[in-house]
Amino acid sequence: GNSVTQMEGPVTLSEEAFLTINCTYTATGYPSLFWYVQYPGEGLQLLLKATKADDKGSNKGFEATYRKETTSFHLEKGSVQVSDSAVYFCALSADTGTASKLTFGTGTRLQVTL
Amino acid sequence: GAVVSQHPSWVICKSGTSVKIECRSLDFQATTMFWYRQFPKQSLMLMATSNEGSKATYEQGVEKDKFLINHASLTLSTLTVTSAHPEDSSFYICSAPGRTWEQYFGPGTRLTVT
Repeated sequence: GNSVTQMEGPVTLSEEAFLTINCTYTATGYPSLFWYVQYPGEGLQLLLKATKADDKGSNKGFEATYRKETTSFHLEKGSVQVSDSAVYFCALSADTGTASKLTFGTGTRLQVTL
Repeated sequence: GAVVSQHPSWVICKSGTSVKIECRSLDFQATTMFWYRQFPKQSLMLMATSNEGSKATYEQGVEKDKFLINHASLTLSTLTVTSAHPEDSSFYICSAPGRTWEQYFGPGTRLTVT
């Protein structure tokens, strides 16, 4: 079956530090890959996505590249801010179409301090 | 962007009673909605796919007689936890897909069974 593995947290960084959250996946076929973010007290929000190999998703300074050869989709940001403190989920969808089921990783909590 | 709401946000009930959780798409229609369960420090696990006008599709291992799902309209899906027990205590999250790849998540409902 499909699965997503992401690094355990929490990750604690100082403001302006470089962020990497690792994510690897197992899936049949060619899944679409996503990063979702959950801010305290809010629902999950799509942060970025990539739908095919070598695609790079980016948003709000975050980036992730779909690497089929290593089955990875690592999340990076060059300079984190306190407002980036949240839980980040890597996810995949192996279905086509819009009503697609998602398989999530366990989530990684990021805490950014001044 | 599209908004999904859940009600209640937090509920406490006694063991043996039933609890209904509502999921509403506020500004768009959703023929399909998804229900997830999230345990502390763990990933979101898909429980079932709610289909407007037809029966829900349950994931393997999810008791359909315990977790009743009704998708009565294009904007409302309900999850009823019947004869709740302490092991049903969890965080329940719904989502609804938009017109593109993005899924919109509700803020979640925390259920505590005493």
